[in-house]
Amino acid sequence: GQQVMQIPQYQHVQEGEDFTTYCNSSTTLSNIQWYKQRPGGHPVFLIQLVKSGEVKKQKRLTFQFGEAKKNSSLHITATQTTDVGTYFCAGRVRDYKLSFGAGTTVTVRA
Amino acid sequence: DAGITQSPRHKVTETGTPVTLRCHQTENHRYMYWYRQDPGHGLRLIHYSYGVKDTDKGEVSDGYSVSRSKTEDFLLTLESATSSQTSVYFCAISDQGAYEQYFGPGTRLTVT
Repeated sequence: GQQVMQIPQYQHVQEGEDFTTYCNSSTTLSNIQWYKQRPGGHPVFLIQLVKSGEVKKQKRLTFQFGEAKKNSSLHITATQTTDVGTYFCAGRVRDYKLSFGAGTTVTVRA
Repeated sequence: DAGITQSPRHKVTETGTPVTLRCHQTENHRYMYWYRQDPGHGLRLIHYSYGVKDTDKGEVSDGYSVSRSKTEDFLLTLESATSSQTSVYFCAISDQGAYEQYFGPGTRLTVT
């Protein structure tokens, strides 16, 4: 089964509001990555976190890796219609394999 | 976007027939992956390759086989298609393994 769990599965957001999606693993991850998939498209790499407690920002997106390297979060501020899509986290569990979460699908109300 | 193509992009086939999906890359990346995407499951790894003729199983490999005879091509074969294999299939490439991966456009497969 999936080793990386992601919540919530759906996020309905009013334009301009903030939201956070969370990623949790039962095992320690050597890295965590985030991908975005627009409706009808393919997943696109956003960012990778490697260090315990690491925080990275991309404009309105803030990514965090937990101290124990078992959880991560993506926080989006001032949501825009361009943020619509499904956000996946993925962790390296061993060898050359990634375990993907089930994704958070974001819809935005204008 | 990275140079990855998948063919065919759409396919409808009947239960019991063999099907081969092709992934082609122009990036010379060492690692190539096949995932399937189904609602509520995210992306699940079917098989991956860490070099020419070097492959390994993922979490949902039953009913699938792969081959990689050249760096640029990674083939996924459904030996005898079943309705449970109706899905969207994505190929991905990486030059460092379980790090940044680039995805192809996907193949939508329907098994009737």
